[in-house]
Amino acid sequence: SQQGEEDPQALSIQEGENATMNCSYKTSINNLQWYRQNSGRGLVHLILIRSNEREKHSGRLRVTLDTSKKSSSLLITASRAADTASYFCATDTGANSKLTFGKGITLSVRP
Amino acid sequence: SQTIHQWPATLVQPVGSPLSLECTVEGTSNPNLYWYRQAAGRGLQLLFYSVGIGQISSEVPQNLSASRPQDRQFILSSKKLLLSDSGFYLCAWSRLAGATGELFFGEGSRLTVL
Repeated sequence: SQQGEEDPQALSIQEGENATMNCSYKTSINNLQWYRQNSGRGLVHLILIRSNEREKHSGRLRVTLDTSKKSSSLLITASRAADTASYFCATDTGANSKLTFGKGITLSVRP
Repeated sequence: SQTIHQWPATLVQPVGSPLSLECTVEGTSNPNLYWYRQAAGRGLQLLFYSVGIGQISSEVPQNLSASRPQDRQFILSSKKLLLSDSGFYLCAWSRLAGATGELFFGEGSRLTVL
């Protein structure tokens, strides 16, 4: 089964609105990462949050981590049409240098 | 700067034919290397990873194999493709470290088995 599972599976919002995506995981982690994938392309790393961190910011991105609830959220503020993509969370459990990915969230930002 | 190259970008192969996908990394040494597969509408499934030349770990039993003949070269192969091998194959690398850092992905190879 997936270590990380994103919620919702799909999200459609209007340009300018904020987009919030959630990720839950099952076992303890070293870090949690968020990636973005444009259709038909490779994944691009967005942000990494370590298990001892609670919040990180990068530009319009804000990531939170709640290790007690085993969950993370990715907030994209003031969304743009160019933010349309799939977003994946990935967890590093420290097991043999591997990342485990969720199934992803499809974000559509309407102009 | 580091770059990762993956080819071919698109491949259509008949069932039972062989497969070879190649991935090379430039601008770094001794990277961890990974092959992931992404089925339509699904997440990424880790197939193989390698922490050094000739060192391959398989995550999922299947008719695929991987090899690392050189430090920055990672090859995914099959002797006989199945219909279920269709998908989007992604190669990635990460810096060798105690804890996993970010992954850098190639642009992917889309395989269609007919």
